Amino acid sequence: QVQLQESGPGLVKSSETLSLTCIVSGDSISSSYWSWIRQPPGKGLEWIGYIYYSGSTKYNPSLKSRVTMSVDTSKNQFSLKLTSLTAADTAVYYCARGVMATIGVDFWGQGTLVTVSS
Amino acid sequence: NLMLTQPHSVSESPGKTVTISCTHSSGSFGSNFVQWYQQRPGSAPTTVIYKDDQRPSGVPDRFSGSIDSSSNSASLTISGLKTEDEADYYCQSYDTTNVIFGGGTKLTVL
Repeated sequence: QVQLQESGPGLVKSSETLSLTCIVSGDSISSSYWSWIRQPPGKGLEWIGYIYYSGSTKYNPSLKSRVTMSVDTSKNQFSLKLTSLTAADTAVYYCARGVMATIGVDFWGQGTLVTVSS
Repeated sequence: NLMLTQPHSVSESPGKTVTISCTHSSGSFGSNFVQWYQQRPGSAPTTVIYKDDQRPSGVPDRFSGSIDSSSNSASLTISGLKTEDEADYYCQSYDTTNVIFGGGTKLTVL
């Protein structure tokens, strides 16, 4: 069974950079593409972007200027960096395995709450 | 920009059937697939329908998906409702620039 586990700080300061990592088990990171999705408290889901194992990326146009994703095949993990944080970036951040044929996701991590404080 | 519109909430009684719609803002979904995700309170989403109408293993056949080209909408239908189906449901599709989620529909089973 594929499992994904997000890790990173639960609290970050406004204007700083958020760094999250997703460790993948039960599958090779070279098998698919990998997504980050977030959900502000009490609100809906927002796609942040995805990265192929090769390193090619696609980002949400509304976040593109602040987002960087990377993949580490040796550690079977991928990462997200989001810069210039504001309170609007407070959310549960999910990593997920993408399905290339559908541009959807099939397996999700449990999510990690990130709070941006002033 | 693509938007997917869902009803904010629906409710139905146990044993009944409910349908949740997802309307494409720019016309037909075309060849772009639709997925549906279930999110129970306090939990991560899980996939209940992919590729318009396919069920992942482990998802009961009470869940079905469809596309109605005439109304530019996708639908998730849940039959034989159970209290455990009470959750938020999100549709998801994409265009050339973005991956989009619908705003979500809260299903109450009462």
